[in-house]
Amino acid sequence: GQNIDQPTEMTATEGAIVQINCTYQTSGFNGLFWYQQHAGEAPTFLSYNVLDGLEEKGRFSSFLSRSKGYSYLLLKELQMKDSASYLCAVKDSNYQLIWGAGTKLIIKP
Amino acid sequence: GAVVSQHPSRVICKSGTSVKIECRSLDFQATTMFWYRQFPKQSLMLMATSNEGSKATYEQGVEKDKFLINHASLTLSTLTVTSAHPEDSSFYICSASPIGTASTEQYFGPGTRLTVT
Repeated sequence: GQNIDQPTEMTATEGAIVQINCTYQTSGFNGLFWYQQHAGEAPTFLSYNVLDGLEEKGRFSSFLSRSKGYSYLLLKELQMKDSASYLCAVKDSNYQLIWGAGTKLIIKP
Repeated sequence: GAVVSQHPSRVICKSGTSVKIECRSLDFQATTMFWYRQFPKQSLMLMATSNEGSKATYEQGVEKDKFLINHASLTLSTLTVTSAHPEDSSFYICSASPIGTASTEQYFGPGTRLTVT
C-alpha cells in the first residue's frame, strides 16, 4: 500500500530552527509537496521537490532523497505565526496526491 | 496570482436538504480541480478529481450520486451534497491546477465549512 509518515506533533521555541521529517512509500514518484495549514483554514503551498537536494525559499527549506524515500522541511528563525500543521504529500505514478496526516507544530515563546 | 475562491465559506443546512459549493479559479484557467474533505484533526481526504467537460473521477468509498460534481468551465467547478445528513458535516476544500503546470502546482480555496443539523 501507499504510505506517508510524519510525526504527529512537534514543539519548538520562537527564534529557533525545527526540522519536520517525512518518509514515504508510494507506487511511483512524481514530486513531493509541503503545505502549511492553519487551524480552520485551507492548506497553502510551501514547496515542491522532484529532484534530490535542497530547495531554499526564505526561512523555509525542503530537502528530498528519492533513494531513501525521505524529505524534510526546515523552518528557521521560527515565529509564533509558524504554529500550524505541516502536510507532506507525494504525487504517485498516476499523478495522484497521497497525503500525510500532517505534523502539528507548536511554537513557544 | 493563482487565487482560488469558494462560496459559501460557511453553511448550515437541515438534514435532507442539498447544498451546492462553488469553486472558482479567479486569475487562471484550470483543466483539473480537486475536491477534498477534512474532518477535525484529520488530514485531507481526496473525494474526487474533476476535469472540465468530462465526468469526475471519484475516490473509492465516495458516493457519486450523493456528491455531484459539475466542472462546467475552465474556471468553475461545483460540488453538490445531496440529501445531506449530520455525518456529512465537514470542511470541504477545493484546489485547482493551472493549465500547463502538469499538476505540479495546486492552489487551494479557503474551504467551506458545512454543518448539517
